Amino acid sequence: GDSVTQMEGPVTLSEEAFLTINCTYTATGYPSLFWYVQYPGEGLQLLLKATKADDKGSNKGFEATYRKETTSFHLEKGSVQVSDSAVYFCALSLLSNTGNQFYFGTGTSLTVIP
Amino acid sequence: KAGVTQTPRYLIKTRGQQVTLSCSPISGHRSVSWYQQTPGQGLQFLFEYFSETQRNKGNFPGRFSGRQFSNSRSEMNVSTLELGDSALYLCASRPGTPQETQYFGPGTRLLVL
Repeated sequence: GDSVTQMEGPVTLSEEAFLTINCTYTATGYPSLFWYVQYPGEGLQLLLKATKADDKGSNKGFEATYRKETTSFHLEKGSVQVSDSAVYFCALSLLSNTGNQFYFGTGTSLTVIP
Repeated sequence: KAGVTQTPRYLIKTRGQQVTLSCSPISGHRSVSWYQQTPGQGLQFLFEYFSETQRNKGNFPGRFSGRQFSNSRSEMNVSTLELGDSALYLCASRPGTPQETQYFGPGTRLLVL
């Protein structure tokens, strides 16, 4: 069935390090792909999205490219900051006859140390 | 525009009680979805309401129910609470047309003792 798989955490990086969080998906149609971020004690916030193959979503220095050939949507940032410490969720949205179906990965916890 | 609001933010109940959580979507959004988030299971979809009708449902027992009002506000009810219902309950809204992004509220943290 349709699903999202993202890399297990937790991930700990030093400030200014390069970040990659892997996300792959399985989908029967043409999904939209999302990255959400959850800071401690808060709900999920949309970080970036891509709606079709080869689209690149970007926001706050984060980027992810929709790769249909590898069914991936890996999140990257060139230089992380302490304030990026949070849990990151990869998600997909598929249109069905009952509206959009959303599927979330299990989340990857990121801690950035000074 | 105000974001998605959820009340209450924190709740403590005992086993066997019932609880009602409330969600007010972003103005103009007609779709409201509910999710349960726990450390072990991650984010699990409960149900989605659109124009006062349940449109999609996840794999949860009948103790979990919801409804949506004509102003798009939604409530979620859990009856006969169990310890395992302790979780962060998140509400998300979107306009309702295809491929729309979901916007999440801050959640209600429920603790069942």
